[in-house]
Amino acid sequence: DIQMTQSPSSLSASVGDRVTITCRASQSISNYLNWYQQKPGKAPKLLIYAASSLQTGVPSRFSGSGSGTDFSLTISSLQPEDFATYYCQQSYSSPHTFGQGTKVEIK
Amino acid sequence: QVQLVQSGAEVKKPGASVKVSCKASGYTFTNYGISWVRQAPGQGLEWMGWISAYNGNTNYAQKVQGRVTLTTDTSTSTAYMELRSLRSDDTAVYYCARVVGSNYRWFDPWGQGTLVTVSS
Repeated sequence: DIQMTQSPSSLSASVGDRVTITCRASQSISNYLNWYQQKPGKAPKLLIYAASSLQTGVPSRFSGSGSGTDFSLTISSLQPEDFATYYCQQSYSSPHTFGQGTKVEIK
Repeated sequence: QVQLVQSGAEVKKPGASVKVSCKASGYTFTNYGISWVRQAPGQGLEWMGWISAYNGNTNYAQKVQGRVTLTTDTSTSTAYMELRSLRSDDTAVYYCARVVGSNYRWFDPWGQGTLVTVSS
């Protein structure tokens, strides 16, 4: 199975900050990488698919990049509604494994 | 709008089985697959398996293979996840999600989740 490792596991940031979360795959996955946002008590929500494609309706302050084994999710200017846990997921091969999550908290 | 609505919370004893439903609306059910993902309390997301709503083909995670069965009822646009021989570590919120894409695949949208509690 492909292992997905996110860093950091948690971070504290202020409204307006630029935030970057990284995700590393245990083997090359090309750009078969998705990002999800999950708020407490809610289902995950798709943000980015195929490493850098923004899902319809997702604010443009979210962006994704990377290929191969190293990927990142960037929030250009953190908003109050962005405090949540973020997960990466590889869809290169089954099982479609997730990273362990990165919790973004208010500083 | 595209929506997945899951059945309600369940409490089961160890060794029992549970069957969770996921009713789709707002799209042609047989054009997409459904994946199931679970989340233990305070933990991350764990992919359990996938089913094609077109032909019923399935793919299961090794961890639950042999205990889980995914099915669909195309007449009602509903997917089902049955988990047998329940253990305490199966306590989790179970999500269904529509699988979009044929080469690149992503999950959108997700159901609201179903809490399954396994306790004696």
